[in-house]
Amino acid sequence: DAMVIQNPRYQVTQFGKPVTLSCSQTLNHNVMYWYQQKSSQAPKLLFHYYDKDFNNEADTPDNFQSRRPNTSFCFLDIRSPGLGDAAMYLCATQWSRGGQQFFGPGTRLTVL
Amino acid sequence: KNEVEQSPQNLTAQEGEFITINCSYSVGISALHWLQQHPGGGIVSLFMLSSGKKKHGRLIATINIQEKHSSLHITASHPRDSAVYICAARRSYNTDKLIFGTGTRLQVFP
Repeated sequence: DAMVIQNPRYQVTQFGKPVTLSCSQTLNHNVMYWYQQKSSQAPKLLFHYYDKDFNNEADTPDNFQSRRPNTSFCFLDIRSPGLGDAAMYLCATQWSRGGQQFFGPGTRLTVL
Repeated sequence: KNEVEQSPQNLTAQEGEFITINCSYSVGISALHWLQQHPGGGIVSLFMLSSGKKKHGRLIATINIQEKHSSLHITASHPRDSAVYICAARRSYNTDKLIFGTGTRLQVFP
């Protein structure tokens, strides 16, 4: 089935130890998003790609980076995770502007 | 004031009850999304609508563009409907981003 896949589903890392979260999609959507969601809060957009064009939100910390090597894959790199970065990270895709967004199952990040 | 407001924040119901969740927005939009999130889980997109009404199984979503208001209805509610329901608006002039409401936590008891 066509879908948005996130790996791993659960990630535990140590304070300051770099971590990479991955997202892949079989929908061939040209827009991909990364959201951070903390407990009982709405998802917060970190950045998104429109094709290869990278769009960073103004309040996304420099600690967060992203790569999109091809249409299907997108990575979220957290260079030096702090305790405040513990959250659910959601990837979403969308076909072109204004389409419906499809979300992955999320990766829950724990920082020790 | 949030640009997208939902009510109620929390809702409990008995199995079989008809449920309504409301969403009001203050910006011009091109579409409104209804999303479902089970505890600890990812987000499922239920509906995207820009006018009128959509139905999928026991779920119905309506939107009134003039009144800037949308509703999500669940008929014959079931405990598996227990989740957080989120409405999210897509601005008219920026179609890449969603503005999320604060969510409505629904619990349906058997």
